[in-house]
Amino acid sequence: GNSVTQMEGPVTLSEEAFLTINCTYTATGYPSLFWYVQYPGEGLQLLLKATKADDKGSNKGFEATYRKETTSFHLEKGSVQVSDSAVYFCALGGNQGGKLIFGQGTELSVKP
Amino acid sequence: ETGVTQSPTHLIKTRGQQVTLRCSSQSGHNTVSWYQQALGQGPQFIFQYYREEENGRGNFPPRFSGLQFPNYSSELNVNALELDDSALYLCASSTGLADTGELFFGEGSRLTVL
Repeated sequence: GNSVTQMEGPVTLSEEAFLTINCTYTATGYPSLFWYVQYPGEGLQLLLKATKADDKGSNKGFEATYRKETTSFHLEKGSVQVSDSAVYFCALGGNQGGKLIFGQGTELSVKP
Repeated sequence: ETGVTQSPTHLIKTRGQQVTLRCSSQSGHNTVSWYQQALGQGPQFIFQYYREEENGRGNFPPRFSGLQFPNYSSELNVNALELDDSALYLCASSTGLADTGELFFGEGSRLTVL
């Protein structure tokens, strides 16, 4: 079946460090890919998405490229801030009967 | 614009009891999805409602049921509660099918089953 695998956390970085959170997927067909973020005490919110191969989603300095050849959608940011501390979820959708399939989440902690 | 609101925020039940969780969708959204998020895990899809009908269901037993009302608000009902039902239950609204667009999540209802 379809699935999403994320790198395990927690990830701890210093402010202004480079961030990569790995995400790979298994799917039939041509899914859409998403990154959602959950800040402390808040609901999940969409960070970025890509709907076809080679698309790059970007938002708030974060970006991720839909790589069909490696079935990956890694999240990157060049310089993280303390305010980026949150849990990040990679998700897969499209032709799933209306559902998103989420990875287990990666907790990011950024220290000043 | 009012976002997705869920109630109650926290509740404690015992095994075998029944629970009803409520969700008000974001203004203009006609689709509601429910997810279960166990501690340290990603959300798992329970089901989706579109225009008051179930439109997709995940791998959950029939004791998980739901409703959507004409104003697009929704309820999740769980009968015969089990310890493993302890989790954060998330409601999300959207326009159209949730798997191709953006979901707007509420903050969740945290259920503890003793």
